[in-house]
Amino acid sequence: KAGVTQTPRYLIKTRGQQVTLSCSPISGHRSVSWYQQTPGQGLQFLFEYFSETQRNKGNFPGRFSGRQFSNSRSEMNVSTLELGDSALYLCASSPTQETQYFGPGTRLLVL
Amino acid sequence: GQQLNQSPQSMFIQEGEDVSMNCTSSSIFNTWLWYKQDPGEGPVLLIALYKAGELTSNGRLTAQFGITRKDSFLNISASIPSDVGIYFCAGPTSQGAQKLVFGQGTRLTINP
Repeated sequence: KAGVTQTPRYLIKTRGQQVTLSCSPISGHRSVSWYQQTPGQGLQFLFEYFSETQRNKGNFPGRFSGRQFSNSRSEMNVSTLELGDSALYLCASSPTQETQYFGPGTRLLVL
Repeated sequence: GQQLNQSPQSMFIQEGEDVSMNCTSSSIFNTWLWYKQDPGEGPVLLIALYKAGELTSNGRLTAQFGITRKDSFLNISASIPSDVGIYFCAGPTSQGAQKLVFGQGTRLTINP
């Protein structure tokens, strides 16, 4: 089975812009979660989608949003980018409630 | 909220040595997960533990789910250069099984 794929792998944006990141889960996995990883804060949960519905949400501002499509693919969007949004954004898919399998991430740099 | 304290933060060892790291929490966890992350990549699941007292191996890796359900340990035997990376413990929060909380990571460096 192919693993979790994320596109793009690298992205450079400027402050104030918006960005959309894409994630394709492992085939058959219906749950997709998003995490932000920074050197200072580590890995932090953003949100989780299951069957096109947001099921869990982390403590991030409303500028961070996401959605899931009927084929389980997911996108996350960050509007009005800030310098502090520079991070590795990781998507994970899950077949069960406990185990999550991560993609390679999208590294976002905000200038 | 639930937090995981992982130690040590970094380790510098010689190739062939055994490695031990641990993760503790003030809260009870029903599942413990151990991941390894290589530079520029996402975390890779190494071992999943679902039962207090459980001891599970994956090759040279062995992890244990603490009896109190508030800690877990990961051991690597006979380390090799490809073991270099950052190891994270993680567990599902009380808010939802899909919402993982992660430890700060243990950075492993191996001198050949």
